[in-house]
Amino acid sequence: GENVEQHPSTLSVQEGDSAVIKCTYSDSASNYFPWYKQELGKGPQLIIDIRSNVGEKKDQRIAVTLNKTAKHFSLHITETQPEDSAVYFCAASRSGNQGGKLIFGQGTELSVKP
Amino acid sequence: GAVVSQHPSRVICKSGTSVKIECRSLDFQATTMFWYRQFPKQSLMLMATSNEGSKATYEQGVEKDKFLINHASLTLSTLTVTSAHPEDSSFYICSAREGQGNEKLFFGSGTQLSVL
Repeated sequence: GENVEQHPSTLSVQEGDSAVIKCTYSDSASNYFPWYKQELGKGPQLIIDIRSNVGEKKDQRIAVTLNKTAKHFSLHITETQPEDSAVYFCAASRSGNQGGKLIFGQGTELSVKP
Repeated sequence: GAVVSQHPSRVICKSGTSVKIECRSLDFQATTMFWYRQFPKQSLMLMATSNEGSKATYEQGVEKDKFLINHASLTLSTLTVTSAHPEDSSFYICSAREGQGNEKLFFGSGTQLSVL
């Protein structure tokens, strides 16, 4: 079945620095790759997503890149702020008639120090 | 984005009792909802896919008689943990897709279940 590997498991940066989280997937048929932010005791919040027909997508301070050949995708957060501190999850799925089930990476605990 | 409401946010129960968790899509119809389970500092593990008007599809290793799922309407899915035991203590999260063919998955706020 599909497997998603995510690195690093923890990441600590200074406020204002950039943060990069990387994921690899195993199913070459996967074509939808969302990223979620989860704060303690809350459900995951969709922050950005990318489809396989696009190589890069940006939304203000966050961007996602996708390399289909290598089967990996990355989340980039620039000008980090303390409120960016949270656990970030990547995921992968095959889209289809009703959408495939999401398989999540292991998560990255991001800490932004003021 | 679409809003998914989940209740209760926290429940404490005695071993052997059953607990029902509700998941509602507030501003859209969800033909498919998903139930996840999350242990502390771990990722989300898919438990089952809930389809409106039909039986849920459970992931391997998830006991369907233990975790009863009902998706009676396009805006409501329920998960009932039957005869709960301490090992069932976990964070349960539901999610829903906004419309068929739409990949975006929105999550509820989660339910922290503690079984004494």
